[in-house]
Amino acid sequence: GENVEQHPSTLSVQEGDSAVIKCTYSDSASNYFPWYKQELGKGPQLIIDIRSNVGEKKDQRIAVTLNKTAKHFSLHITETQPEDSAVYFCAGGGRGSNYKLTFGKGTLLTVNP
Amino acid sequence: DSGVTQTPKHLITATGQRVTLRCSPRSGDLSVYWYQQSLDQGLQFLIQYYNGEERAKGNILERFSAQQFPDLHSELNLSSLELGDSALYFCASSDSGRPTDTQYFGPGTRLTVL
Repeated sequence: GENVEQHPSTLSVQEGDSAVIKCTYSDSASNYFPWYKQELGKGPQLIIDIRSNVGEKKDQRIAVTLNKTAKHFSLHITETQPEDSAVYFCAGGGRGSNYKLTFGKGTLLTVNP
Repeated sequence: DSGVTQTPKHLITATGQRVTLRCSPRSGDLSVYWYQQSLDQGLQFLIQYYNGEERAKGNILERFSAQQFPDLHSELNLSSLELGDSALYFCASSDSGRPTDTQYFGPGTRLTVL
């Protein structure tokens, strides 16, 4: 089955800096890679996703890149703000994953004012 | 607010007991997923239902079972509870249950087994 590794487990940045979180996956058949943000006491919320037919996707300050050859994908947050502080999860799945999404272990992002 | 509701928010019970967690999907969504979140294991997929039928199974223990009813709400039953079952349990829903669908998560049920 799919295995998703996520790094780093914790990340601390200054407000206004950029943050990058990286994930690798094992199943070359996976074709869907969402990113979720989880704030304290809440359920995960989708912030952006990418499918394997594109290499990059942007939504305002958030971008995701995908390298199918290397089987890794990354989340980039620019101009970070204190409200970006949360746990971020990557996931992989789709075709070949038997209808399952496999999540990374999460990254605790802290944005210091 | 994702539109997915879960009850109860908190549940405290003893080892050996049985509990039922309930989930109502977003209006129009046909598929429901259950996840367990613990500090050491992260977010683990348990089981998925689509329009009342089981579609996919993950690392769900035999002591756990689930079902989706005709009105599309779902229940996760946990029996013979052990200390290690203490965790957050999330329900998510999607419209068609395809692997590439966006899954919308509920606020979760925190289960504490004493």
